[in-house]
Amino acid sequence: NAGVMQNPRHLVRRRGQEARLRCSPMKGHSHVYWYRQLPEEGLKFMVYLQKENIIDESGMPKERFSAEFPKEGPSILRIQQVVRGDSAAYFCASSPRTQGQVVYEQYFGPGTRLTVT
Amino acid sequence: AQSVSQHNHHVILSEAASLELGCNYSYGGTVNLFWYVQYPGQHLQLLLKYFSGDPLVKGIKGFEAEFIKSKFSFNLRKPSVQWSDTAEYFCAVTPGSSNTGKLIFGQGTTLQVKP
Repeated sequence: NAGVMQNPRHLVRRRGQEARLRCSPMKGHSHVYWYRQLPEEGLKFMVYLQKENIIDESGMPKERFSAEFPKEGPSILRIQQVVRGDSAAYFCASSPRTQGQVVYEQYFGPGTRLTVT
Repeated sequence: AQSVSQHNHHVILSEAASLELGCNYSYGGTVNLFWYVQYPGQHLQLLLKYFSGDPLVKGIKGFEAEFIKSKFSFNLRKPSVQWSDTAEYFCAVTPGSSNTGKLIFGQGTTLQVKP
């Protein structure tokens, strides 16, 4: 059973370009979380998605960032017009489900390290 | 706002020394607690978790953690560390009232074990 897959593992973009980060959850998992880790900091929640739905985007910057999890295919985190401050490690995690107050553990991918030059 | 604080940013120990990494959280209600580990070049892996029941939780690789509700703490311990325990350790919390399960992480502690 393959784990959470993320690609690319490393991504270099120049200021103003777009970055697309992909996450394929574990088989059977329909819930995806995105976290960002800035240098010297812990992981910060960005967005929580289920198939075709954004459930909680309270951690997403208001501009330039968007996320989707289509019915078919991986979840995508998209950053438009990247700036140097977007340089970070972006982690995806998947979970079988979270329902009401029942919490299931999250399984993390290897991360995508974005460098903006 | 809810937050998680890890007191030690960088810990250096010799092999066989005992380890205790501090973790405190700020949230008054019920919580679910986690410790994750990230070995060099690898992804985050779950070490142990606490949802309810016995506050002393045993995890993989000889790690354990104790939930002390009155102190809002969930410290990680290991009686005797090995060189292979060199890694970054993250404490994380999900409020029990959360229906999204999003994790709130501490800033991490880098553990370096000298052979």
